[in-house]
Amino acid sequence: GQQVMQIPQYQHVQEGEDFTTYCNSSTTLSNIQWYKQRPGGHPVFLIQLVKSGEVKKQKRLTFQFGEAKKNSSLHITATQTTDVGTYFCAVSSNTGKLIFGQGTTLQVKP
Amino acid sequence: DVKVTQSSRYLVKRTGEKVFLECVQDMDHENMFWYRQDPGLGLRLIYFSYDVKMKEKGDIPEGYSVSREKKERFSLILESASTNQTSMYLCASSSREGRKDYEQYFGPGTRLTVT
Repeated sequence: GQQVMQIPQYQHVQEGEDFTTYCNSSTTLSNIQWYKQRPGGHPVFLIQLVKSGEVKKQKRLTFQFGEAKKNSSLHITATQTTDVGTYFCAVSSNTGKLIFGQGTTLQVKP
Repeated sequence: DVKVTQSSRYLVKRTGEKVFLECVQDMDHENMFWYRQDPGLGLRLIYFSYDVKMKEKGDIPEGYSVSREKKERFSLILESASTNQTSMYLCASSSREGRKDYEQYFGPGTRLTVT
């Protein structure tokens, strides 16, 4: 079945440093969603990308969808301790359900 | 405000017990999902439902069953709990228009321990 690979699995950064997580698929994607899960919390939807080469920004977060629609990235500029958590990408399968990447857990040292 | 609620935050059950996990959403969503989350394994789909009385197997349905008698409620049943079913269980819902599925809203999760 369809799979999506997300890297890295863990990332430790110093507060103020940048952070990027990547999501890759072997097949062309119709869209990709990104979620954030705070420690002890549940996943919360951040954004959906649909168009080839699309770039969307939410304050310090930049989301990008690859030109071939096979990969995506989430970049955080100047991390803060409030950015701590696990970031998941998710892609729609041909049956309509979401397939989640394994997530990237971000730790930020103050 | 969008809301998905789950019947318990923490649950401790004995091996062999029948376990019911309840999920209710107040957004009139068509789709409902049950996931389990384990360290290093991400979110794995157990079962999902696109409509009342309808269910589809996810990636790891073995040992589980579901029930959706009303649109707002989706129940996960462990017929005979085993220790390898100790996990965090997350319910989610989403709306659908034709073949397009929208973002999923998650409940707070139930941490189930089977002893």
